[in-house]
Order: sequence, then C-alpha cells, then structure tokens
Amino acid sequence: GAVVSQHPSWVICKSGTSVKIECRSLDFQATTMFWYRQFPKQSLMLMATSNEGSKATYEQGVEKDKFLINHASLTLSTLTVTSAHPEDSSFYICSASTGERAEQFFGPGTRLTVL
Amino acid sequence: SQKIEQNSEALNIQEGKTATLTCNYTNYSPAYLQWYRQDPGRGPVFLLLIRENEKEKRKERLKVTFDTTLKQSLFHITASQPADSATYLCACSFSNDYKLSFGAGTTVTVRA
Repeated sequence: GAVVSQHPSWVICKSGTSVKIECRSLDFQATTMFWYRQFPKQSLMLMATSNEGSKATYEQGVEKDKFLINHASLTLSTLTVTSAHPEDSSFYICSASTGERAEQFFGPGTRLTVL
Repeated sequence: SQKIEQNSEALNIQEGKTATLTCNYTNYSPAYLQWYRQDPGRGPVFLLLIRENEKEKRKERLKVTFDTTLKQSLFHITASQPADSATYLCACSFSNDYKLSFGAGTTVTVRA
C-alpha cells in the first residue's frame, strides 16, 4: 500500500516553455502533498506544501508564480514549471501524507532537463 | 535556522558487518526523526521513524537511536548485504505540519 506515482518520469523541454508534472496517490487519500527539488549529490529541498482544496504554501525563496501548484483532489497534485530555464533543470519529487501518520510516501521523481 | 548534518558522505563496508550512520541536528530537538533509503534516480523510501521521547526503534536488520542530549540519531544496518547499498537520508520534523528537513545523505556501499 501507500503508492505514489509521478508522471512523466523524465522530460526535456526548450527554454521558455512550461512543463506540468503530476503526482498521484494510488491507494490512499492524501490530505497533504509536498513538492521537493533535488540537485545532484544534494539533499531534498522542500519547495511547497499543498493541501487539497486550498492554496499551496511555498518555502522561502521559491517563486509561487513560477512553480504553480494545484491540489485538485485527494489523490492528485500538479506542479507546473512556467517559462522554464536551464537552471530549473533538476529532479522533482513529490510526496504524500495521509495526515494521520507522520511518514511521507514519495513518488519516483521526475527528471526535468531544460535546454 | 535548523541544520541537519549527516557527517559521512560515503561509507564502504564489508558484507556481514554493521553499518552505522550518524545524523546530527542543531538547536532544538525535532518532534520526530525519520530515516529514508534512496536509490539512484528514484524517490526516497520510508524506513523508520523515531519520536522525541523514544530512545530506540528496530525493524528487522535496522535499528535507529535518538539521543536528544547529543542532538544525534544513529542508524544501524546489521548483517549488511550488497542489496543494502544505497543513499540513506535523515529527515527531521520540527513542527506539527509534517514538513520535513532532510540531511544530504550518506551513500553506503556494501562489498561482497
């Protein structure tokens, strides 16, 4: 149980385009989803916290207009990287929490490369 | 601000030995501390959680300890196997909203 999927698993796009990444909890309802970014050989950095039906809460230094997050249902959250630039290239990982237990269940990640 | 430090970037051990990883935090203690395993190009997988008022937790060949005096958690893999080779992440929650702060990870390589 507690499976989280992400789509796509990797994406290559041109600079200036927008990319949408989906995060789904497959077998449980996720009241809260988290979005992280991880650069090579570095730690996971929390970008934002998303609760179903409400606006996402962004961490300091993360541009909310650039990284649009929508948590439309208890099983789906999306992250849209708008006007992507090469410095946005990274590994984006989502996680989901039931809100009843402390552990987070992570998706497999999405590798974004912006040319 | 709070910092999570895993003071070994890499750990190489012989199969069958015990791997011990360290996680240190600054300032005040987290409400709970978690350990995750991450394989290359994959998302982290939850392993163990230990709360502030707990000293030790075990799960099969894994053991985690929590010492709030030393501001440290130790993660042990006993009878290590090559399949245990991965990066292990320490994560702390300092608030009630389940947000996690991660350490940079320790990459364990178990030699057959």
